Amino acid sequence: TQLLEQSPQFLSIQEGENLTVYCNSSSVFSSLQWYRQEPGEGPVLLVTVVTGGEVKKLKRLTFQFGDARKDSSLHITAAQPGDTGLYLCAGSPNSGNTPLVFGKGTRLSVIA
Amino acid sequence: DAGITQSPRHKVTETGTPVTLRCHQTENHRYMYWYRQDPGHGLRLIHYSYGVKDTDKGEVSDGYSVSRSKTEDFLLTLESATSSQTSVYFCAISESLYRYTEAFFGQGTRLTVV
Repeated sequence: TQLLEQSPQFLSIQEGENLTVYCNSSSVFSSLQWYRQEPGEGPVLLVTVVTGGEVKKLKRLTFQFGDARKDSSLHITAAQPGDTGLYLCAGSPNSGNTPLVFGKGTRLSVIA
Repeated sequence: DAGITQSPRHKVTETGTPVTLRCHQTENHRYMYWYRQDPGHGLRLIHYSYGVKDTDKGEVSDGYSVSRSKTEDFLLTLESATSSQTSVYFCAISESLYRYTEAFFGQGTRLTVV
């Protein structure tokens, strides 16, 4: 059973468009992280959200943690080709003192 | 960039042969992890270590063993490689398991079992 479900699995958009990707679970997480992975590289942390309802912004990226701490979203405004990559959400289930589990990821392609 | 080196970066091996992948860190982080990444499955934890000679199993540990004799090195061994173990393997490190802790990843090892 996948603890973290990400949608959509694939997304191809034109430069300048907005998009939202989702990370959902039936379990409560003490925190969720978002990573971005580029081809041939390992994932790199973008943000950690820890409080229900929390919103964090990183330039054109906006991350939100659901009030019940079961879901999160990543919104990108005016996407650029440099945003292309695999976006992964990750979290520690249960008490939080366990290794990260990852969603399957959303593969984003931004076309110039 | 966090100092994590995986070796080899690419390997092709035959079914039934033993294979060892190495992860070396220069950050002195306590926790080290091995994940595999496959299309349609995402990143799945194989084994992790919380100190020298202290290891535990992850979600997909069957067919794999690990060893950590020094803080900086974490080895993943496939005792008898199978085609189902063809994958990209990532090593990761973190200071703790605490929920705020960032995981740093190596560049991956692409293993092909023929």
